[in-house]
Amino acid sequence: AQSVTQLDSHVSVSEGTPVLLRCNYSSSYSPSLFWYVQHPNKGLQLLLKYTSAATLVKGINGFEAEFKKSETSFHLTKPSAHMSDAAEYFCVVSDTGFQKLVFGTGTRLLVSP
Amino acid sequence: EAGVAQSPRYKIIEKRQSVAFWCNPISGHATLYWYQQILGQGPKLLIQFQNNGVVDDSQLPKDRFSAERLKGVDSTLKIQPAKLEDSAVYLCASSRGATQPQHFGDGTRLSIL
Repeated sequence: AQSVTQLDSHVSVSEGTPVLLRCNYSSSYSPSLFWYVQHPNKGLQLLLKYTSAATLVKGINGFEAEFKKSETSFHLTKPSAHMSDAAEYFCVVSDTGFQKLVFGTGTRLLVSP
Repeated sequence: EAGVAQSPRYKIIEKRQSVAFWCNPISGHATLYWYQQILGQGPKLLIQFQNNGVVDDSQLPKDRFSAERLKGVDSTLKIQPAKLEDSAVYLCASSRGATQPQHFGDGTRLSIL
């Protein structure tokens, strides 16, 4: 069965400093991996996706993630945090493309001035 | 394009009462999903429709939950009778097809007293 583990429930950064949100996955097949963002009282928005093409994936709002098969990791990074990045971030795995998404428990990103 | 619309945004009921949620997907989207997001957890898929047919309802508690998408457009999710553990945010998502990215609504927050 597929699963994801988000290693940090909360991450705090200062505005302008780098962001690193960690995610490890488990999958029997060649997985599709995603990062979604959820702002308070809002639905989820797709940040980026990995579907067996380039291992370094660029997404919206300056975020990117690197697929590392040897480490079964898919960490999300951003060079410089902005106040508007404060939200909940979910790492997601699927063995069937965009269907049957399996979500991690989320990482809350806090950005201080 | 208009996003996925859900109503109501908030609902408070007492245990053993019934409740219904409504979802209007993005126009032209054939696939519709309902998720349950319990506080502190990632969303969990309850049911997936392709047009008006059910593709996957393996995680839907069928003794109390039901969902329908009669004309292949709008969908309703019902809980009868509600239990305390049903307190959650119920998210609706839609996609053009099962192999396309999912677009999420803002959800309905359900509180059971």
